[in-house]
Amino acid sequence: GAVVSQHPSWVICKSGTSVKIECRSLDFQATTMFWYRQFPKQSLMLMATSNEGSKATYEQGVEKDKFLINHASLTLSTLTVTSAHPEDSSFYICSARSDTNQPQHFGDGTRLSIL
Amino acid sequence: LAKTTQPISMDSYEGQEVNITCSHNNIATNDYITWYQQFPSQGPRFIIQGYKTKVTNEVASLFIPADRKSSTLSLPRVSLSDTAVYYCLVGPSGGYQKVTFGIGTKLQVIP
Repeated sequence: GAVVSQHPSWVICKSGTSVKIECRSLDFQATTMFWYRQFPKQSLMLMATSNEGSKATYEQGVEKDKFLINHASLTLSTLTVTSAHPEDSSFYICSARSDTNQPQHFGDGTRLSIL
Repeated sequence: LAKTTQPISMDSYEGQEVNITCSHNNIATNDYITWYQQFPSQGPRFIIQGYKTKVTNEVASLFIPADRKSSTLSLPRVSLSDTAVYYCLVGPSGGYQKVTFGIGTKLQVIP
């Protein structure tokens, strides 16, 4: 149980392109989803927290207009990297939690490479 | 947010028991301790969560002393496939509020 699916697993695109990453909870309803970014050999950095039906809360230093998060249903959240540039290349990971007494469960990440 | 401190790396031979200790001196009353495992280019995988004393599942055991200022993840008879980074997280109810990932412990299992 508690499976989180992320799609796509990797994407390569040109600078200036917008890229959408999907995060789905397959066997539970996720009231809260989190988006992280991880650079090589570094730890996960929380980007934003989203609760179903409300606006995401972004961490300090994360541009909300660049990283658009939508959590329209209890099983789906999307992260759109708008006008991506090479410095946005990273490993993006989502996690989902069903309620306040349950741990986060993570997707397998999306490797984003901007040329 | 409670800050955690773990060893940066550990080596172990196959078949041995591995204990990874995490310090969290300023843990709050309503904080739980959660451990995750991460392989390269994959998302973290939940291993175990506890509040006090000892918790055991099919994968690992978690030992938490009475003062809860530290915790020890115990992996019995590790194999090469246990080579990964292990993260100790401390936060309310497994992360209802945001949790901060530390640098983790890189466990290298040696044949």
